[in-house]
Amino acid sequence: KAGVTQTPRYLIKTRGQQVTLSCSPISGHRSVSWYQQTPGQGLQFLFEYFSETQRNKGNFPGRFSGRQFSNSRSEMNVSTLELGDSALYLCASSLVVTGGAADTQYFGPGTRLTVL
Amino acid sequence: QKEVEQDPGPLSVPEGAIVSLNCTYSNSAFQYFMWYRQYSRKGPELLMYTYSSGNKEDGRFTAQVDKSSKYISLFIRDSQPSDSATYLCAMIGGNKLTFGGGTRVLVKP
Repeated sequence: KAGVTQTPRYLIKTRGQQVTLSCSPISGHRSVSWYQQTPGQGLQFLFEYFSETQRNKGNFPGRFSGRQFSNSRSEMNVSTLELGDSALYLCASSLVVTGGAADTQYFGPGTRLTVL
Repeated sequence: QKEVEQDPGPLSVPEGAIVSLNCTYSNSAFQYFMWYRQYSRKGPELLMYTYSSGNKEDGRFTAQVDKSSKYISLFIRDSQPSDSATYLCAMIGGNKLTFGGGTRVLVKP
């Protein structure tokens, strides 16, 4: 079974631009979560989507948004990029929404975003 | 103060030694406990998943949970150079997965 895939793997943007990242979950998984990973803050939860609905949200500004499509694929958008948005953005998929009995999350390789 | 505290390391051990990792947490709502391994330039990979106090073994890995002390541990026996990675503890509570900062482990041949 194919794992979680993320595109693109690397991205360089300048301040003020916007960016869209894509995540394809494991086949059959309906939950997709997004995380930001930086050396200083570690892995921080952004949001979780299940059946095209946002179920949970972390403490990030409204510049960070996401959506999920009917095939469970998800996109994350960051508008008006800031230098501090440089990070590894990870996507994870699971069978059910976080907190459920079978909610093991499987991570993709991430998208490394550099903001200049 | 972070909800989950984890020593960042690095932790350097000789090949064959036991690696001992731990995390403390403050949120009593955490119910499920996990350990992930992350190699450089890769996403985290789930190693162990537990939901009750006590020990759980899987090959060379043993996960230990003490809910009364809000303390979890991971032990790696007979460590190998291929175990060199960052190990992250993670916990689920309130429908969110919260990670520790990760401990970098280096196993020297």
